[in-house]
Amino acid sequence: GESVGLHLPTLSVQEGDNSIINCAYSNSASDYFIWYKQESGKGPQFIIDIRSNMDKRQGQRVTVLLNKTVKHLSLQIAATQPGDSAVYFCAENSGYSTLTFGKGTMLLVSP
Amino acid sequence: KAGVTQTPRYLIKTRGQQVTLSCSPISGHRSVSWYQQTPGQGLQFLFEYFSETQRNKGNFPGRFSGRQFSNSRSEMNVSTLELGDSALYLCASSRAGPNEKLFFGSGTQLSVL
Repeated sequence: GESVGLHLPTLSVQEGDNSIINCAYSNSASDYFIWYKQESGKGPQFIIDIRSNMDKRQGQRVTVLLNKTVKHLSLQIAATQPGDSAVYFCAENSGYSTLTFGKGTMLLVSP
Repeated sequence: KAGVTQTPRYLIKTRGQQVTLSCSPISGHRSVSWYQQTPGQGLQFLFEYFSETQRNKGNFPGRFSGRQFSNSRSEMNVSTLELGDSALYLCASSRAGPNEKLFFGSGTQLSVL
């Protein structure tokens, strides 16, 4: 979703639930996508990536889905934990080390 | 393996001053890129350096500049600071090729008064 100023879209879940964070990207020519997690006071931390020749990729507790037809990415987090609380960004690669970031989604996990 | 190191962690400057931020990439990473993060604009690409050459540049005024040294360490400079330059400045490093993972430092929080 869109963010305006300081207001990020927020997803609130209970510990143990599965979380799904969505992202729309802009450039149909982008061929590489990354999800980052950013905790307060820290830089973005790499979670998982996917190339455009794939539509799904799994990591530890995380899955990224890519739908190139509608230019949509999603990040699924299984069995969400309080330590997963952070802001999550999707990013598309626009060239060498040139990422275009989405506005971010705040994930709040309640124990 | 040490991560991306940025110094200083915090800076306070006044309008009109200039500032230099430093970034040491992960060992073996030859590409360094810089991003500005603000609550209003999110994360925006500034520029990217590889082999001491600027390879890509974002849509920022000429007051923002950078350089990379032979050991891949990088600095960015902002001259004639404006209030709107207050932001978290993030450095990221990666191996040289396209579609490589970017690893970020913790950033330098710049406040312009």
